[in-house]
Amino acid sequence: QKEVEQNSGPLSVPEGAIASLNCTYSDRGSQSFFWYRQYSGKSPELIMFIYSNGDKEDGRFTAQLNKASQYVSLLIRDSQPSDSATYLCAVITGANSKLTFGKGITLSVRP
Amino acid sequence: DVKVTQSSRYLVKRTGEKVFLECVQDMDHENMFWYRQDPGLGLRLIYFSYDVKMKEKGDIPEGYSVSREKKERFSLILESASTNQTSMYLCASTRYSNQPQHFGDGTRLSIL
Repeated sequence: QKEVEQNSGPLSVPEGAIASLNCTYSDRGSQSFFWYRQYSGKSPELIMFIYSNGDKEDGRFTAQLNKASQYVSLLIRDSQPSDSATYLCAVITGANSKLTFGKGITLSVRP
Repeated sequence: DVKVTQSSRYLVKRTGEKVFLECVQDMDHENMFWYRQDPGLGLRLIYFSYDVKMKEKGDIPEGYSVSREKKERFSLILESASTNQTSMYLCASTRYSNQPQHFGDGTRLSIL
């Protein structure tokens, strides 16, 4: 059973559009949720974290958490070519607070 | 800013060699982690440590060991390198286990 699932992608959007990235998780007791961005050949870079139900905004990024439905999403407004990367969803799961990653979705922003 | 430093960006070794990957963090974090990342398989946890001299197995510990003699340094050891250990290795650290992990730049290891 996959613990953290992301759409396989890739996802392609035009410059200036909203990119919507989704993630579901299986552990109902999960409390901490993260989005990382990873450029090709580079290491993951934290861009958002969210702990409570609802929306959290940071610049062009909005993280949305719905614990009842067990999903977390990332919206990127006014997408730029520099946003083209793989986005990893990560969730703290289990009694030992293990960080579990989804396999990531590759976003391509077309100029 | 948190700084996690991995000793090598690229490393080439031969099968059967003992390989050491080093990781140092400068933020006095208690928790440190080693992952490997492979296409189609995502990030997988090898080992982690929540204190000096403490270690816990992750999801894929076979063929690896770790050492944490000082709080800031966490080493990954490939006891006898094999070709299926060719991968990108990522070190991460965090102060508390429910907070974001910060990653080093990664070591791309090739075993020939």
